[in-house]
Amino acid sequence: EAGVTQFPSHSVIEKGQTVTLRCDPISGHDNLYWYRRVMGKEIKFLLHFVKESKQDESGMPNNRFLAERTGGTYSTLKVQPAELEDSGVYFCASSQRTSGRTDTQYFGPGTRLTVL
Amino acid sequence: GDSVTQMEGPVTLSEEAFLTINCTYTATGYPSLFWYVQYPGEGLQLLLKATKADDKGSNKGFEATYRKETTSFHLEKGSVQVSDSAVYFCALSPTNDYKLSFGAGTTVTVRA
Repeated sequence: EAGVTQFPSHSVIEKGQTVTLRCDPISGHDNLYWYRRVMGKEIKFLLHFVKESKQDESGMPNNRFLAERTGGTYSTLKVQPAELEDSGVYFCASSQRTSGRTDTQYFGPGTRLTVL
Repeated sequence: GDSVTQMEGPVTLSEEAFLTINCTYTATGYPSLFWYVQYPGEGLQLLLKATKADDKGSNKGFEATYRKETTSFHLEKGSVQVSDSAVYFCALSPTNDYKLSFGAGTTVTVRA
């Protein structure tokens, strides 16, 4: 079974440009999450999809970030325009749709974003 | 809000040494607790978890016990190997939510 995949693995852009990160969850997983780790600090929650619906986007830092999950499959996270403080590693995770909060979240390898 | 505090690194050990990484948490109710590991060049992997007080999670020789009285979930391994070199993250998910709150991560390097 394929794991969570993310693309690209690394992106270097200039301040003011746009970048789109992609995440493909494990097949059949309804829950999809985005997290990010900035400057070697804690990994912070960004948002949570259940299928194509945003369940919780309380961690999105501002309106320069837009996440979508068309058809409840893969998800994209767009940053427009990118700022220096957006640099970090963006992780995607997915889990099966069950009623329990103890579901294991399976993480992708992350996308390292560098904004110059 | 919920938070996790874990021992700062980096930690450098010799093979077969004993490893402890301290983790304490602040949360209401009864969170689930996790240890994730990130090996060089790879994504985060779940190492072990515990969902209620006094539960012990274990995997690959690592253990951690959910201690509600001390709000702790310390990670231990009796004899580390070079292959255990990685970044270790302690995390929790709240009583009624899915989202994980992570500690800052502890980098562990094991020397042969």
